[in-house]
Amino acid sequence: DAGVIQSPRHEVTEMGQEVTLRCKPISGHDYLFWYRQTMMRGLELLIYFNNNVPIDDSGMPEDRFSAKMPNASFSTLKIQPSEPRDSAVYFCASSLSGDNTIYFGEGSWLTVV
Amino acid sequence: KQEVTQIPAALSVPEGENLVLNCSFTDSAIYNLQWFRQDPGKGLTSLLLIQSSQREQTSGRLNASLDKSSGRSTLYIAASQPGDSATYLCAVRYGGATNKLIFGTGTLLAVQP
Repeated sequence: DAGVIQSPRHEVTEMGQEVTLRCKPISGHDYLFWYRQTMMRGLELLIYFNNNVPIDDSGMPEDRFSAKMPNASFSTLKIQPSEPRDSAVYFCASSLSGDNTIYFGEGSWLTVV
Repeated sequence: KQEVTQIPAALSVPEGENLVLNCSFTDSAIYNLQWFRQDPGKGLTSLLLIQSSQREQTSGRLNASLDKSSGRSTLYIAASQPGDSATYLCAVRYGGATNKLIFGTGTLLAVQP
């Protein structure tokens, strides 16, 4: 299996622009997670889905952030409009019910200038 | 509030030394605890998982212990090697109905050849 695939790996954008991060989970996994990692706050869970349905979005920082999972093999995290404080590494991860192991993608490195 | 803390934040040791990384959590009603490794520019890789009913898990040179009553876990690395250099994170899962993980801030380990 190719693992969790994220794109883009790196993005530099100007403040105010829309940013869309993409994730393809491992085939057959029914849980998908979006995490954000910064030096100051470490790894924070933003939102997670089970069977394509958002279960807990309490970690989404504000209305500028939105996430969708239109099908079992694709999810997006959108920031609109982006701000410099959104600069971070955004990780997508997936797991399978009954299996405690969670698999992470290699992250999308976002810089907002 | 459920918090996970790791000390030290950074550690540098000579090759061959045995070392211990510490993780503490505020709420002892955990479902399981995982140790992850993160290499620079990469995602997280699961190393060991300890269920709440277990006291320890071993994989090669790694041994993780869990003491729920005191809210602590340790990761022991025997005969450290330069290839062990990475950031090590512990993550706690609360409740069996969710795969939500709360991460510690990590320990950056450097093993000097």
